[in-house]
Amino acid sequence: RKEVEQDPGPFNVPEGATVAFNCTYSNSASQSFFWYRQDCRKEPKLLMSVYSSGNEDGRFTAQLNRASQYISLLIRDSKLSDSATYLCVVISGGGADGLTFGKGTHLIIQP
Amino acid sequence: EAGVAQSPRYKIIEKRQSVAFWCNPISGHATLYWYQQILGQGPKLLIQFQNNGVVDDSQLPKDRFSAERLKGVDSTLKIQPAKLEDSAVYLCASSPRMGYQSPLHFGNGTRLTVT
Repeated sequence: RKEVEQDPGPFNVPEGATVAFNCTYSNSASQSFFWYRQDCRKEPKLLMSVYSSGNEDGRFTAQLNRASQYISLLIRDSKLSDSATYLCVVISGGGADGLTFGKGTHLIIQP
Repeated sequence: EAGVAQSPRYKIIEKRQSVAFWCNPISGHATLYWYQQILGQGPKLLIQFQNNGVVDDSQLPKDRFSAERLKGVDSTLKIQPAKLEDSAVYLCASSPRMGYQSPLHFGNGTRLTVT
């Protein structure tokens, strides 16, 4: 099993719809989780951290399920500008950060 | 605050040639990372520095790749000799410290094409 797995998509979603995708991780000792957004030919940028209690930032909600070892990102009322690749990041700690990126989920919001 | 600076933005070289990339992290950031991102994949860590010391270089192909961070600020990544499969975007990132809640700030990357 790969360390961090994401469905690559693409997810084609009409504008205004709600979309959710998951990211599974294999290391049960993982401590920190993040979602990054990457636009085409741009660098990744932090979208939000994922806390144990879940967190919400406007239209975006991130949740962590430690029992099943996955994190999720939900986008409500999707906008055309939400089209991007969403990368999950898992930090496992240890001597180094043990920071691992998923391959990303490609989201396309259609008018 | 000024972001992570990288140069050059683009580089085209022939296989077996050498190339070097430069990164200047955000001022005061102790941790610096070099990532390789091949088209369609997530970033893959090549090397992580804490100040001027190497924390993790387990995925760095040391027969051809080298990196240094003299004085714990700027960093350079070198490839010698380059192979076709080295074509990728090389991203530099920095964070204030190592640790669980310290997200990364990325530069805009160097896009390398090896022909």
